[in-house]
Amino acid sequence: QKEVEQNSGPLSVPEGAIASLNCTYSDRGSQSFFWYRQYSGKSPELIMFIYSNGDKEDGRFTAQLNKASQYVSLLIRDSQPSDSATYLCAVRGFQKLVFGTGTRLLVSP
Amino acid sequence: GAVVSQHPSRVICKSGTSVKIECRSLDFQATTMFWYRQFPKKSLMLMATSNEGSKATYEQGVEKDKFLINHASLTLSTLTVTSAHPEDSSFYICSASYRDSYNSPLHFGNGTRLTVT
Repeated sequence: QKEVEQNSGPLSVPEGAIASLNCTYSDRGSQSFFWYRQYSGKSPELIMFIYSNGDKEDGRFTAQLNKASQYVSLLIRDSQPSDSATYLCAVRGFQKLVFGTGTRLLVSP
Repeated sequence: GAVVSQHPSRVICKSGTSVKIECRSLDFQATTMFWYRQFPKKSLMLMATSNEGSKATYEQGVEKDKFLINHASLTLSTLTVTSAHPEDSSFYICSASYRDSYNSPLHFGNGTRLTVT
């Protein structure tokens, strides 16, 4: 079982819709959870991080964490074509940060 | 804040030569920096953890004699790819945390695209 799993996609949504990106992790001791966005040929940029169960909102982005289910998600409201990118879920326990393989999001105008 | 600068952004070299990549934390001190490698359409793979003032910790399968890491100061880590070969062609990215804490996010440099001919 992979440590951090994501559906590779692509996930296609129309402009203005809500995009829902999901991630599961295997290490129950994981403490912190991050979402990064990576455009093709570029390095990842941090979008959000979450440590506690529940929702965390920042502008159009909402991160959701359920530690009991070992599940973390990212919602993007009012999706824009500029949101088209690969979204990486990253999970950190007491040691290194482990990345998922990423979900490619395509937002069509 | 938490800016990580990486240089060069792109390098093309001939097989057998060595290439040095620099990673700097511009507005914070980083006792630990991380070096990742990414092949096309693949996720980031951690290569090594660079520790200021001590030896780097390499991930399983990463040759420490091929990928030399030096972390001589709190703001600079370097990765040297020695005797590069075409299979070393990849996107190398460094990262660092503003605080050395498990809940501190990593900030990434812009990456170095290495092409070995």
